[in-house]
Amino acid sequence: DAGVIQSPRHEVTEMGQEVTLRCKPISGHNSLFWYRQTMMRGLELLIYFNNNVPIDDSGMPEDRFSAKMPNASFSTLKIQPSEPRDSAVYFCASSSPKEVEAFFGQGTRLTVV
Amino acid sequence: AQSVAQPEDQVNVAEGNPLTVKCTYSVSGNPYLFWYVQYPNRGLQFLLKYITGDNLVKGSYGFEAEFNKSQTSFHLKKPSALVSDSALYFCAVSFFPGFQKLVFGTGTRLLVSP
Repeated sequence: DAGVIQSPRHEVTEMGQEVTLRCKPISGHNSLFWYRQTMMRGLELLIYFNNNVPIDDSGMPEDRFSAKMPNASFSTLKIQPSEPRDSAVYFCASSSPKEVEAFFGQGTRLTVV
Repeated sequence: AQSVAQPEDQVNVAEGNPLTVKCTYSVSGNPYLFWYVQYPNRGLQFLLKYITGDNLVKGSYGFEAEFNKSQTSFHLKKPSALVSDSALYFCAVSFFPGFQKLVFGTGTRLLVSP
């Protein structure tokens, strides 16, 4: 398996624009996580899905953030409108009940100017 | 509250010496515990996990960790450090095995000097 695939790897956008981050989990994994990493706040869990259903979105910072998982092989994290403080590295991860540990993608480095 | 703590922001060790990166947790019930490593501009890579059974867990790249329930700790260790081990290390705990939700510590930067 190619692992968790995220796109794009880098995104630079202007404040106010909509940003969509994409994730393809490992085939057969039933849990998917979106994390954000910054120097100030470390690694934060934004939202996670189980069997395509959002289980806990308490980490989503504001209504500007939304996440979807329309099927088992695809998820998106959208920020609309984006702000400079959203600049961070966003990671997607997936896991299965059998393996328990989460496998991370390479991340998307978002810069909002 | 359920949490995991990494008390050291940075650990410095000379190549060839043993290393320890500390982690403590706070949880009701039995935790699942994990260590991950992050190299610059990369995602997190899984090193090892404790689910149940033997308290000493062996993982990738010669790392091991010891689960100590009485001290609620899960310290990462390696008998002989390599310069290439220099990276950011994260301890994580899962409180809901059914959903594999991971809560991470703040990370510890390991610097191994030649």
